[in-house]
Amino acid sequence: AQSVTQLGSHVSVSEGALVLLRCNYSSSVPPYLFWYVQYPNQGLQLLLKYTSAATLVKGINGFEAEFKKSETSFHLTKPSAHMSDAAEYFCAALNNAGGTSEGKLTFGQGTILTVHP
Amino acid sequence: GAVVSQHPSRVICKSGTSVKIECRSLDFQATTMFWYRQFPKQSLMLMATSNEGSKATYEQGVEKDKFLINHASLTLSTLTVTSAHPEDSSFYICSARDPQGHNSPLHFGNGTRLTVT
Repeated sequence: AQSVTQLGSHVSVSEGALVLLRCNYSSSVPPYLFWYVQYPNQGLQLLLKYTSAATLVKGINGFEAEFKKSETSFHLTKPSAHMSDAAEYFCAALNNAGGTSEGKLTFGQGTILTVHP
Repeated sequence: GAVVSQHPSRVICKSGTSVKIECRSLDFQATTMFWYRQFPKQSLMLMATSNEGSKATYEQGVEKDKFLINHASLTLSTLTVTSAHPEDSSFYICSARDPQGHNSPLHFGNGTRLTVT
């Protein structure tokens, strides 16, 4: 079964500091991976996606993530945090191995990012 | 980009009544839509997969008679919470995949905050 683990339910950084949100996946077949951002009382907005092309993926708002198969990781980074980055971030894996779970997203537990001045 | 519209954004209803939530894909046809439920400070949990023209596929533990799903057209799926109770209060989010590619990400609606009194 596929699972996604986000280490750290809360991350706090200073404005201008590096943002690092961790995500590890567990799957017999490397899945497609996504990072979403959720602002309070809103749906999810796609930040970036990995679909077996380039391992370093650039997304919106200055975020990027690197797929590392050896570490089964897909950590999200941003060089310099902005106050507007404060939100909850979800890592998700898309099952593409076939079977009844084909096409379903599995979400991590989410990480709340706080940015303080 | 692809847009998914969800309505209403908030609804308050009395215990025992039914509530219908609509999910529309605005600029693409979605043969498959997904319904998620999100409890406070938790991740998204897949409730069911809505398939156009056929019965929905429910995840284990989700009562299909309580959460009725209808996907009557390629742009509309509805979730009806029947005989709602306070424990059904939650944030419900729909999503749809642009069928241009099987690895394309899900596009999410903005969610519906249901409060049952």
